[in-house]
Amino acid sequence: QVQLQESGPGLVKPSETLTLTCTVSGGAISSYYWNWIRQPPGKGLEWIGYISYTGSTNFNPSLRSRVTMSLDKSKKEFSLKVNSVTAADTAVYYCVRLWASRLDYWGQGNLVTVSS
Amino acid sequence: ETVLTQSPGTLSVSPGDTATLSCRASESVSSTYLSWYQQKPGQAPRLLIYDASTRATGIPDRFSGSGSGTDFTLTISRLEPEDLAVYYCQQYGTSPQLTFGGGTKVEIK
Repeated sequence: QVQLQESGPGLVKPSETLTLTCTVSGGAISSYYWNWIRQPPGKGLEWIGYISYTGSTNFNPSLRSRVTMSLDKSKKEFSLKVNSVTAADTAVYYCVRLWASRLDYWGQGNLVTVSS
Repeated sequence: ETVLTQSPGTLSVSPGDTATLSCRASESVSSTYLSWYQQKPGQAPRLLIYDASTRATGIPDRFSGSGSGTDFTLTISRLEPEDLAVYYCQQYGTSPQLTFGGGTKVEIK
């Protein structure tokens, strides 16, 4: 059974960089697109972007200028960095596998609060 | 950008009844690229339906999807108390590559 697990700090100061890592277990990292999706408290889902198994990336235009993603195949991990964070970046961040246009496996989510 | 509009915002349904949820796209979406998700309180979303009408593994046949073009529907038959959740539609297309509807909350009467 494929499992994804987010890890990272739960609190980030304004203007700093948010960094999260997702570890994939129970399945291959090749042949899929690895996504980050976030959900502000009480609100809907927002796609941040993905990194493919080849390392190519695709980001939501609304966040593109502040986001980077990386992939470590040997560790079966992929990471998200969002710089210059503000309170509007406070959300639960999910790492998610994308296969053939559908998001089939989700991590449990990591709440990140931006506050001084 | 393809905008997905879900209606109603909240749906109150009695156990055993049928819930009909709508997802309307601002431009035509390929059926292959339309999915539905269920998010129960305090949990991550779960894939319910993909390719507009194919149930994901382990999803009961009470859940069905239909539609094409700009109008898609998720139908929940024989509603059970455990179906209390927010339901999201999602499309995969051009920039941004992936977008979600605003969600429909299903309440149990």
